[in-house]
Amino acid sequence: AQSVTQPDIHITVSEGASLELRCNYSYGATPYLFWYVQSPGQGLQLLLKYFSGDTLVQGIKGFEAEFKRSQSSFNLRKPSVHWSDAAEYFCAAFWYNNNDMRFGAGTRLTVKP
Amino acid sequence: EPEVTQTPSHQVTQMGQEVILRCVPISNHLYFYWYRQILGQKVEFLVSFYNNEISEKSEIFDDQFSVERPDGSNFTLKIRSTKLEDSAMYFCASSPHTGVGTGELFFGEGSRLTVL
Repeated sequence: AQSVTQPDIHITVSEGASLELRCNYSYGATPYLFWYVQSPGQGLQLLLKYFSGDTLVQGIKGFEAEFKRSQSSFNLRKPSVHWSDAAEYFCAAFWYNNNDMRFGAGTRLTVKP
Repeated sequence: EPEVTQTPSHQVTQMGQEVILRCVPISNHLYFYWYRQILGQKVEFLVSFYNNEISEKSEIFDDQFSVERPDGSNFTLKIRSTKLEDSAMYFCASSPHTGVGTGELFFGEGSRLTVL
């Protein structure tokens, strides 16, 4: 079955430190890939997306993600984290051959002052 | 910028009552979805809808759930007899079409359902 895995449930980083959130997807075909951020009680905001082409994609708020086909991964990165980045981050994959979008379980980011 | 809108933002209901959550997708979109997120858990797929019928549904989407597009603009999720475990944030999403380079889902802000 198609699935998205985010191995880290909770990550804590210091403000100003770099960040990497991991995401892996299953199933043979390469899906479209997305990262969403969700603040408490809020909706889902799209950070960035990958459809094809350049494997390093830039998003909003200084985030970027790199698609690695060999590892079935789409990890989210930010060189310097700000306190306002504290939120829940969801990786998602859309398999266009059967119109199916799945989310990972989410990674909660805590930023220490 | 076009957006998906959902109403109500929060609804509190008694167990056993019927609830209708409403969504207005982006106007030229053709695919519509409902997802839910139980507090503190992952976002789960419920159902997708295309051409006035359900195209896929998950095991969560049992007989107590139904969807319809009653008037060409709204897309509704009905829960016939709510249970405590239906308490969740329900997200509507729409997509213009599928195919290479598309498939991005645009999400609404969500409707929080609390079942007492």
